[in-house]
Amino acid sequence: DAKTTQPPSMDCAEGRAANLPCNHSTISGNEYVYWYRQIHSQGPQYIIHGLKNNETNEMASLIITEDRKSSTLILPHATLRDTAVYYCIVRVVDSSYKLIFGSGTRLLVRP
Amino acid sequence: NAGVMQNPRHLVRRRGQEARLRCSPVKGHSHVYWYRQLPEEGLKFMVYLQKENIIDESGMPKERFSAEFPKEGPSILRIQQVVRGDSAAYFCASSLVQGRQPQHFGDGTRLSIL
Repeated sequence: DAKTTQPPSMDCAEGRAANLPCNHSTISGNEYVYWYRQIHSQGPQYIIHGLKNNETNEMASLIITEDRKSSTLILPHATLRDTAVYYCIVRVVDSSYKLIFGSGTRLLVRP
Repeated sequence: NAGVMQNPRHLVRRRGQEARLRCSPVKGHSHVYWYRQLPEEGLKFMVYLQKENIIDESGMPKERFSAEFPKEGPSILRIQQVVRGDSAAYFCASSLVQGRQPQHFGDGTRLSIL
């Protein structure tokens, strides 16, 4: 089972920041938080990942709370092409490091 | 830079036939993962392979499904005697090393069973 909880859907206006929350209260000390998104009919696209420090790249920022029990993905200036299902994943630390996907958040960016 | 390549993109089979799905990982990546996505559901892990070895097949059905990643050539997911319930999108992902390196996904093979 996925170790994360996300709202099923959100929307935001084009050009505004999209803030997608994720709860992972049972995360272990060595487990990373990953974010992927899936645009209709395409494969999941890697966005960003982090352990405990905030991270930023050309796509997004990841804010992880100090207790690591929750995080927020920030798309600073959402565009229509950011409409997708966003998955927050706590990556399993075992022999495979497989990704366990939950239901994700369906983000709709409005014109 | 070529990403993960999967083919065919769409595959139609009749019940009882065999389906072969191919995945060429990112050049230099030696770790391959297969996931399945049933209609209107999230992705489910099936199997993890390194070159010539199956490391974790805990998500793969025990019967009719097999996977390989030979020393040369693409990884193959094989489904024998397909049934309607096998209709799904099958995604392959690869990573450079095991651990916190992100997995990069292909655009999948959509398998339809008539």
